[in-house]
Amino acid sequence: NAGVTQTPKFQVLKTGQSMTLQCAQDMNHEYMSWYRQDPGMGLRLIHYSVGAGITDQGEVPNGYNVSRSTTEDFPLRLLSAAPSQTSVYFCASTRGQGNTIYFGEGSWLTVV
Amino acid sequence: KQEVTQIPAALSVPEGENLVLNCSFTDSAIYNLQWFRQDPGKGLTSLLLIQSSQREQTSGRLNASLDKSSGRSTLYIAASQPGDSATYLCAVRRTTDSWGKLQFGAGTQVVVTP
Repeated sequence: NAGVTQTPKFQVLKTGQSMTLQCAQDMNHEYMSWYRQDPGMGLRLIHYSVGAGITDQGEVPNGYNVSRSTTEDFPLRLLSAAPSQTSVYFCASTRGQGNTIYFGEGSWLTVV
Repeated sequence: KQEVTQIPAALSVPEGENLVLNCSFTDSAIYNLQWFRQDPGKGLTSLLLIQSSQREQTSGRLNASLDKSSGRSTLYIAASQPGDSATYLCAVRRTTDSWGKLQFGAGTQVVVTP
C-alpha cells in the first residue's frame, strides 16, 4: 500500500522562488493536512482540508497556499520562499475525526 | 492554548528494560490523544490512539494510559529492543479544535542499547 506519498523528498530553493510540494493518498481519506517540523518546536499545522474544495488555515499559514481539487491530492504551494521556511514538511491524512492519522515520509526543504 | 510537554527529552536504556514515556497537557478537554513513533529521516507512524472516553489502549508490547483529569498520558514499552530506538511523540486534539489541529509534544528520543 502506498499510503501517503510526498514529493519531492529534498529540495533547495533560492529566496523568492516559488514551488509546490505534492501530497497524494490512496486511502480515500477525506481529511488531509500539512505540518512543518522544526527543531525544538515540534510539528505545527500549516493548512488542512476536510474534503475536496474545502480548506482552512492552521497555526502557521503565512507564506503558504493550498487547494483541494480531488480527494486524493493536497498540494502545498510556497509563494515566495524565505529562509524561515527551511523545514521538514509532512503531509497527513485520516478517514475521520476519531481515526488514526497517517503521515507521509516528509519533504526536506532548504531556502538559501 | 494547549501546551503539550514530553519529559524526558532523551532516554537511554539497556535492552530488556521497560520504557516509560510521559506526556502532559494543560487543557483536559481533549477529544483524543495519539502516540507516534518517528525514525530518523522518516515520517510519523501512529502507535496508539486513545479516545477521551478510554483509560488505556494496548498493542503488543505497547500500552498507553490516559488520565484526563491530571492531564497526563504514559506510554509503556515492555521488554525494550534495539529496534525500539526512535523518537516518540504524543499529540492531543482538543474538543474545541477541528480534527486537523493536533498539538504535538517535542518528543522523547529513545536509545535502546544491546
